[in-house]
Amino acid sequence: KQEVTQIPAALSVPEGENLVLNCSFTDSAIYNLQWFRQDPGKGLTSLLLIQSSQREQTSGRLNASLDKSSGRSTLYIAASQPGDSATYLCAVYGAAGNKLTFGGGTRVLVKP
Amino acid sequence: SAVISQKPSRDICQRGTSLTIQCQVDSQVTMMFWYRQQPGQSLTLIATANQGSEATYESGFVIDKFPISRPNLTFSTLTVSNMSPEDSSIYLCSVAHTQTNTEAFFGQGTRLTVV
Repeated sequence: KQEVTQIPAALSVPEGENLVLNCSFTDSAIYNLQWFRQDPGKGLTSLLLIQSSQREQTSGRLNASLDKSSGRSTLYIAASQPGDSATYLCAVYGAAGNKLTFGGGTRVLVKP
Repeated sequence: SAVISQKPSRDICQRGTSLTIQCQVDSQVTMMFWYRQQPGQSLTLIATANQGSEATYESGFVIDKFPISRPNLTFSTLTVSNMSPEDSSIYLCSVAHTQTNTEAFFGQGTRLTVV
């Protein structure tokens, strides 16, 4: 059974600092890994999708890496802003069961 | 991408009643899913909505409690039946265009409070 873990559970940084969010998964048989952002009481916004054959994806200030063999992904957010405050979720789409398994999320607060 | 419209966005319901949540997508999609997010928790998959056949439920979720319909490739409903306060959660619809190597998109969710 796939298990996804996100560390840390919460993170508070001053504005301008770079953010590093970690995600680990137990079963490396995945089709892809996806990072999402969730604002309080809202749905999920897709940030980055990394296919199993890729090592990283970039979008603006966001960069996500994937090491499938070790079961790890890292989301980097450069030069954080107060608007980056949200919960960030990673999810893996597994070959077994064709479904997304979510981590517990990292709650980020960027202080002005 | 896919634009998902989920209704209602929130509701407050009496215990013992039922609520049907609608999910409408702006394009045909192969996969549609329903998730539950309990307060302070991550997302848990309830079921995969299959077009023209019975939904596939995850362990711990049953059709009598969470009946799902999917009459076509752009629409699905989830009903939360005989509600109790423990059903208070955010319910989210998700879609993907194909079964593999594809991006998942989510609706804005339905915030349900059962009193």
